[in-house]
Amino acid sequence: TQLLEQSPQFLSIQEGENLTVYCNSSSVFSSLQWYRQEPGEGPVLLVTVVTGGEVKKLKRLTFQFGDARKDSSLHITAAQPGDTGLYLCAGDKAAGNKLTFGGGTRVLVKP
Amino acid sequence: NAGVTQTPKFRVLKTGQSMTLLCAQDMNHEYMYWYRQDPGMGLRLIHYSVGEGTTAKGEVPDGYNVSRLKKQNFLLGLESAAPSQTSVYFCAIMRDRVSDTQYFGPGTRLTVL
Repeated sequence: TQLLEQSPQFLSIQEGENLTVYCNSSSVFSSLQWYRQEPGEGPVLLVTVVTGGEVKKLKRLTFQFGDARKDSSLHITAAQPGDTGLYLCAGDKAAGNKLTFGGGTRVLVKP
Repeated sequence: NAGVTQTPKFRVLKTGQSMTLLCAQDMNHEYMYWYRQDPGMGLRLIHYSVGEGTTAKGEVPDGYNVSRLKKQNFLLGLESAAPSQTSVYFCAIMRDRVSDTQYFGPGTRLTVL
């Protein structure tokens, strides 16, 4: 059982549709990050959320940190083929220097 | 990949062979990490280093050793490879404890037969 559970594991949608990816845990995190990874490359940081209830927007991507800092969601509005990739959430439990990653959500946006 | 290189990019080993993966950075960051990525498992931390000459165990350290003799290099060693170590290995760097951004290398795909 992973400390951070992501759902769904795979999501296939048509261009223009909306999607939401969830990252859940029973543990409290001091901060939570979202990464996107493309095939053959390393993950790239999209955003860090640190305050319970925090909402951050990055163009068509909206990230939310749960009030209790145990969960997070990523919402993409009007998805585009360029949004295709593996989305990973990662939590830092103790404001230290180690991250715990979720299992990832593979998103496919069809043109 | 933000000045992080990994050598080699691909490798096939036979069970029992040894090898060393090299992570090199040109950003003068203090922290360096080794992860492995398996399908559906996300990334799992193997070992990490908070500065030159220091190393520490992560979540899945068994079967691996590391060294950080120079600040810019972090080596991951497999003394006796096993098929369970077939994976994609990523190195990451972070500037310091205050920074929250890890920069990842392009990965090394290792297959152990």
